[in-house]
Amino acid sequence: GAVVSQHPSWVICKSGTSVKIECRSLDFQATTMFWYRQFPKQSLMLMATSNEGSKATYEQGVEKDKFLINHASLTLSTLTVTSAHPEDSSFYICSARPSGRSTDTQYFGPGTRLTVL
Amino acid sequence: GQQVMQIPQYQHVQEGEDFTTYCNSSTTLSNIQWYKQRPGGHPVFLIQLVKSGEVKKQKRLTFQFGEAKKNSSLHITATQTTDVGTYFCAGRTSGTYKYIFGTGTRLKVLA
Repeated sequence: GAVVSQHPSWVICKSGTSVKIECRSLDFQATTMFWYRQFPKQSLMLMATSNEGSKATYEQGVEKDKFLINHASLTLSTLTVTSAHPEDSSFYICSARPSGRSTDTQYFGPGTRLTVL
Repeated sequence: GQQVMQIPQYQHVQEGEDFTTYCNSSTTLSNIQWYKQRPGGHPVFLIQLVKSGEVKKQKRLTFQFGEAKKNSSLHITATQTTDVGTYFCAGRTSGTYKYIFGTGTRLKVLA
């Protein structure tokens, strides 16, 4: 149980295009999901907190118009990297926090590797 | 803002030796979690510590939460090659659900 999927697992795109990444909780509902970015050999940097039915909360320094987050249902959050540039190339990971549980455990997706040419 | 630092950044050990990574937060934490990330993989949850001074064990792994709830440690006894990976702590402050990840410690185990 507690499986989180991400799609696609990897994507290569041209500079200037937009890329959408999906994060799904497969066997539980998640009111809250988190989006992280990880550069090679570095830590996970929290980008934003995604809340079902409301606007995402972005961390300082993260452009909300650049990284559009939509959490339209209790099992799906999407991250759209708009007008991607090579510096946006990174490993994007989502995590989902099960709704209604007392535990703070968050379950991570397998990640999406984005390469912008 | 909240910062979570880990030392050492890298550690190479011979198989069978012990290993410890230390996690220090700039702010008092509500709880702390530990994760392991294998090369090319995603973080896998290991454990959560909540109480001041708490100590938890998982086979060869011992986790400790400091009395002031600002630091934590992970100790691995008699490392094995399967322990290779990067270990992250992640701390949460009260009033928020979000976790801030530490800088990570990359462990290499030499057979």
